[in-house]
Amino acid sequence: DSGVTQTPKHLITATGQRVTLRCSPRSGDLSVYWYQQSLDQGLQFLIQYYNGEERAKGNILERFSAQQFPDLHSELNLSSLELGDSALYFCASSVGTGVETQYFGPGTRLLVL
Amino acid sequence: GEDVEQSLFLSVREGDSSVINCTYTDSSSTYLYWYKQEPGAGLQLLTYIFSNMDMKQDQRLTVLLNKKDKHLSLRIADTQTGDSAIYFCAESMGNYGQNFVFGPGTRLSVLP
Repeated sequence: DSGVTQTPKHLITATGQRVTLRCSPRSGDLSVYWYQQSLDQGLQFLIQYYNGEERAKGNILERFSAQQFPDLHSELNLSSLELGDSALYFCASSVGTGVETQYFGPGTRLLVL
Repeated sequence: GEDVEQSLFLSVREGDSSVINCTYTDSSSTYLYWYKQEPGAGLQLLTYIFSNMDMKQDQRLTVLLNKKDKHLSLRIADTQTGDSAIYFCAESMGNYGQNFVFGPGTRLSVLP
């Protein structure tokens, strides 16, 4: 158990819908990272937050948004869902923003039908 | 643009050394990483190397970086069945925040 929790574990929804994925980082970690893992796109870094502020942005679509709250949990919002958004979404956390071990959550598996 | 490439599969016998290779395109990469993903799990950071280093050794793991050829390798000595996993090479260009680009992953199978 990495100490990072993600909810829900599985999510099935329809095209055009909007979903929110939630992540709670390890106690004491200030950075949260979001990743998407799919068969065709592989593993993609989406976005990083540190202490409530966006720090780095990867291949995150405009239909996707994220935020980190004062209690440091983070939410990833996916809207106008398409079939191709079906993937495993990982959250990770780390103490700071530098090169250090990121601890990964178990992931949320999203299926868009 | 940024691109990281890896061979997709590697099979080795238990006790042998494994060498997983990676090439990247962005010469401004600050750090290069190796992550391990076991079935059904998230990623585990194995090791990383700063772009001004040539080599880094950590127990059974040796990372070699050829910056001229933009080639990174991970050598696992005395490979064990527990090393069977997918290994991802990644690069980042961030100092302030970490903006990662991952390779497609190499599936390492360790045969008894």
